[in-house]
This record gives sequence, structure tokens and C-alpha cells, in this order.
Amino acid sequence: GENVEQHPSTLSVQEGDSAVIKCTYSDSASNYFPWYKQELGKRPQLIIDIRSNVGEKKDQRIAVTLNKTAKHFSLHITETQPEDSAVYFCAASMSTGNQFYFGTGTSLTVIP
Amino acid sequence: GAVVSQHPSWVICKSGTSVKIECRSLDFQATTMFWYRQFPKQSLMLMATSNEGSKATYEQGVEKDKFLINHASLTLSTLTVTSAHPEDSSFYICSAKRQPSVGTEAFFGQGTRLTVV
Repeated sequence: GENVEQHPSTLSVQEGDSAVIKCTYSDSASNYFPWYKQELGKRPQLIIDIRSNVGEKKDQRIAVTLNKTAKHFSLHITETQPEDSAVYFCAASMSTGNQFYFGTGTSLTVIP
Repeated sequence: GAVVSQHPSWVICKSGTSVKIECRSLDFQATTMFWYRQFPKQSLMLMATSNEGSKATYEQGVEKDKFLINHASLTLSTLTVTSAHPEDSSFYICSAKRQPSVGTEAFFGQGTRLTVV
């Protein structure tokens, strides 16, 4: 199956700074890449996603970039706020199925 | 967004007993649901894909006889942990997609915290 790696595992930034989380995937057939935010004890919530026919997508302070050739994609959060503190997961979905394979997660802490 | 509900939210059971966890899509039909396991501070590990009206597809290393999955209707999938052991203690979470096609959002249940004593 697909193998998704995510870095860093923990990230601390000052409020107002930017945060970047990177993921790589192994299967070139993957064509859908969502990012989920999970607060402690709660369910993961989709924050942004990108499909393989697009190189970049932005939604207010959040953006995702995709490099299909290199098989990596990144989450960018600008002007971080304390409420952005959570665990973020990237995922990849293969074109032959609906399953999501998740990265190992990044615990983001935004310091006020 | 769509609503996926899991029940129970938490359960404590004795070793050797079985526990059933339900995953329901409340406002849409889901031909496919997914079951994940999450250890503390770790990622979501896909256990199996639950297919309505047919057998579930298990990921490598997941014991199908231990983790029984039934997807009897378009809005309900169940995961039964059989003969539970303390090492089965974990956070189990399901997800469902509103549309079966690839490249669409998956919605998650709130999760079930299982503790086996």
C-alpha cells in the first residue's frame, strides 16, 4: 500500500509566524491529498485538500502545494494563532481505491 | 459537512470479552466506510475498508477474525473486537465518504476509546 511520511513530528512557532509541514508519498498513482487537523480527543477535521491536477491551493491563511514529480506536498499556515495549535495529518488517496493513508502527524504549538 | 457518529464514545471491558463499536452516517449513504486505530500521539492506522453488502477488506497485519466488520446497511458499519486483550486498548475511529469516487472528503466519527482491563 501507500507509504506517507510526514515531517516534522513536532513544531513550535511564535504567534504570527508561519508554519510549514511536509509530506512525501510513495505511490505515483495517488491523486488526492487532504490535510486534517485533530484537536486533543476530537475527530480529525478536513482543513484543505488538493488534487493531482493542481499545483497549489490556498484558503485564507492556509495553503497547500503539490509536487507530483517529487511526490511531496506541503501545508503552509501563515499568521499563526494559538487556536492553530493541534495535530495535523496529511494523507494520500490512491486512484484505485478510496482508502486514505495518513502521515505520522505533526504536533503544532503556537506560542502566544 | 456530513455527520458521522460513533457509539459508544468510550468503553471499558474485561479481557476475553467482545466489544461492538457502531459507525453511522447520519445524513448520507455511505457504501464504503473505513476503520482506523490510533495510539496516543500517533497517526491513524487504517485497519480495514468496510463495504456495504460484501466482505471488508483488511490491511496487511490486521487480524480479520479478531476485528470483525459488518456493513449491513448504507448507513451503518460495525467493528467488533473479539476476545479483547489489554493490548487492544486504543482509540478506534471510523470515517465515511459521501461519494464513492476518489478525491472527495472523508468525514470522521468522534472515535471510541476502548480500554481492556
